[in-house]
Amino acid sequence: NAGVTQTPKFQVLKTGQSMTLQCAQDMNHEYMSWYRQDPGMGLRLIHYSVGAGITDQGEVPNGYNVSRSTTEDFPLRLLSAAPSQTSVYFCASKVQGSGRGNSPLHFGNGTRLTVT
Amino acid sequence: AQSVTQLDSQVPVFEEAPVELRCNYSSSVSVYLFWYVQYPNQGLQLLLKYLSGSTLVESINGFEAEFNKSQTSFHLRKPSVHISDTAEYFCAVSDRGGGFKTIFGAGTRLFVKA
Repeated sequence: NAGVTQTPKFQVLKTGQSMTLQCAQDMNHEYMSWYRQDPGMGLRLIHYSVGAGITDQGEVPNGYNVSRSTTEDFPLRLLSAAPSQTSVYFCASKVQGSGRGNSPLHFGNGTRLTVT
Repeated sequence: AQSVTQLDSQVPVFEEAPVELRCNYSSSVSVYLFWYVQYPNQGLQLLLKYLSGSTLVESINGFEAEFNKSQTSFHLRKPSVHISDTAEYFCAVSDRGGGFKTIFGAGTRLFVKA
């Protein structure tokens, strides 16, 4: 059971370039999300999805797009990278449903992105 | 809206000493509370969670946390730490409805010295 898989592990971009961070989970979790982790700021929610075709914004959505065409995959797109997007990005999933706020998140190992 | 404050950014402690990592939260709705641990170059893993019932919850590796509703706190404790406990610890809250947004604190880096 692979859990949550993120690719790539490392990426360097130049300002203005675009790229997609991939996330896949094999646990049949309805809920998937993207966080960014910055020193001294913990993890901040970028976007989340409660099922295929349904996405919503988190705390820091600007500069990022998402889509959810399948239960398994939840890619994060940077359309025009900026140095402020240098960060470590984590994908996380969990069981979702009415009253399931008690379900813990399952995290991938992260993508370290540097924008120069 | 919810927010989480972890009162210490770094906690150095000697091996076999007790430790407490402090967490306070703010929320306009009822929440579930979590502690996650992150080892170097890895994602976060669930350490323990408070859902309801007894205010003291325990993990399998000796950590415990106590929910204090009046003080809106969820401090993490361990009576005797090991070198292997060196990691970053995150306190988090999730609303008791759909739990669509899990909000994390800034993290506390625990450094256990020999």
